[in-house]
Amino acid sequence: RKEVEQDPGPFNVPEGATVAFNCTYSNSASQSFFWYRQDCRKEPKLLMSVYSSGNEDGRFTAQLNRASQYISLLIRDSKLSDSATYLCVVNGLIGTGGFKTIFGAGTRLFVKA
Amino acid sequence: ETGVTQSPTHLIKTRGQQVTLRCSSQSGHNTVSWYQQALGQGPQFIFQYYREEENGRGNFPPRFSGLQFPNYSSELNVNALELDDSALYLCASSRGLENEQFFGPGTRLTVL
Repeated sequence: RKEVEQDPGPFNVPEGATVAFNCTYSNSASQSFFWYRQDCRKEPKLLMSVYSSGNEDGRFTAQLNRASQYISLLIRDSKLSDSATYLCVVNGLIGTGGFKTIFGAGTRLFVKA
Repeated sequence: ETGVTQSPTHLIKTRGQQVTLRCSSQSGHNTVSWYQQALGQGPQFIFQYYREEENGRGNFPPRFSGLQFPNYSSELNVNALELDDSALYLCASSRGLENEQFFGPGTRLTVL
């Protein structure tokens, strides 16, 4: 089983649609969680951190469920500019105090006019 | 822009050679992480440096090594290059171990 698993893509949605991405992680000792977006041939850019209380930034809402080891990202009112790959990221402890950052494989989103 | 810079932007090497990639972290950041990203995949964690010490390592062989300097900039060294080492190498800096990481533009390495 992969340490971080995301929905396989791609997602093809019309402008204005609501789209949800899901991600599960296997290491219960994981400490922090993020969503990044990556445009073609560019570096990943931080979209938002994910907290147990949930957080919202404009059209984007992220949720964390530690009991189910599950992270989600909701995008409302999709724009053409939201077309990108969305990466789920988990920071976890390894061994005696070391940290490891695991990226999911990413979910590709295409928003069409 | 994140303030994280990497050099060089592109590099072509032949199998068996050695390569050094460089990264300057964002001001105020003391942690640098390195990743390898193959086409169509998510970034794979190579290792992390915190205050000049390796703090965590992914599933990469010992021929992948690194350094962090007192100014928190970092190097990634890869010895005995293999064809499968061809990838985008990304560096990210953060303020501490668990916090948000900010990426540089990457170095695209091609091994022939």
